Amino acid sequence: AQKVTQAQTEISVVEKEDVTLDCVYETRDTTYYLFWYKQPPSGELVFLIRRNSFDEQNEISGRYSWNFQKSTSSFNFTITASQVVDSAVYFCALSENNFNKFYFGSGTKLNVKP
Amino acid sequence: GAVVSQHPSRVICKSGTSVKIECRSLDFQATTMFWYRQFPKKSLMLMATSNEGSKATYEQGVEKDKFLINHASLTLSTLTVTSAHPEDSSFYICSARVARLAGVLGEQFFGPGTRLTVL
Repeated sequence: AQKVTQAQTEISVVEKEDVTLDCVYETRDTTYYLFWYKQPPSGELVFLIRRNSFDEQNEISGRYSWNFQKSTSSFNFTITASQVVDSAVYFCALSENNFNKFYFGSGTKLNVKP
Repeated sequence: GAVVSQHPSRVICKSGTSVKIECRSLDFQATTMFWYRQFPKKSLMLMATSNEGSKATYEQGVEKDKFLINHASLTLSTLTVTSAHPEDSSFYICSARVARLAGVLGEQFFGPGTRLTVL
C-alpha cells in the first residue's frame, strides 16, 4: 500500500537558517511520482516540485533543493537561508503512475522567525 | 499552466442546509476530478473521484448520500454537502486531471479550496 510519512510535525527556525523537511514513502509500484506542495495560511496548495521514480537526480531551484534517494525511499526538501515568507505547512505526496490517486503525508509546519 | 478554480472560496451556512461547491478547470479539459477534505492541522484526505458523465467513486467511509458529486461537463464538477452539520465544517479542495494527450501526462492540478463553516 502507498504511504507517505512526514515525521516532523512542526519545525521552528530563525531566519537565514537552513532547514530540511523529511519525507519517507512506501509503494510497491515501480513507476510513481513524488511531489512537494506548500500550503500557506490561505489554504491554497502551491506546487513546488514533481519527481518521477526514474529520475534520482537532485534538483535545486533558488533556495530550494530536493534530495531523492530510492535506496532509502526518501524525498527530502531543504530550504537554504530560510525567510519568514517560507512559513507554511509543507506536504509531501506520492502519486500512482496514472495520477489517479494522491497520497499525502501529514504535513510539516514550518515556522520561520525573524 | 493549468488553472483550477473553486467557488465559493468561503461559505458559512446554518445546520441542516445544503451547500454546493463548484470546481472548474479553466484552461483545460478534465475527464477526472477529485475531491479532498482537510480538517484543521490535518492532511488532505481523498473523498471521491469524479469522472465526467458517470457516477463518482467514493472512498471508504465517505457517505455518498451526504456528499453528492456531479461531473456534468469536462470542465465542471460540483460537490453538494447535503443537510450540513457542524462536523462537516472543513476545507474542501478539488483537483482536476488533465485528459491524456500524446506526450502530455495526465497530471492533477489543485484548486484553491473552499472553507465551509456550518453553524
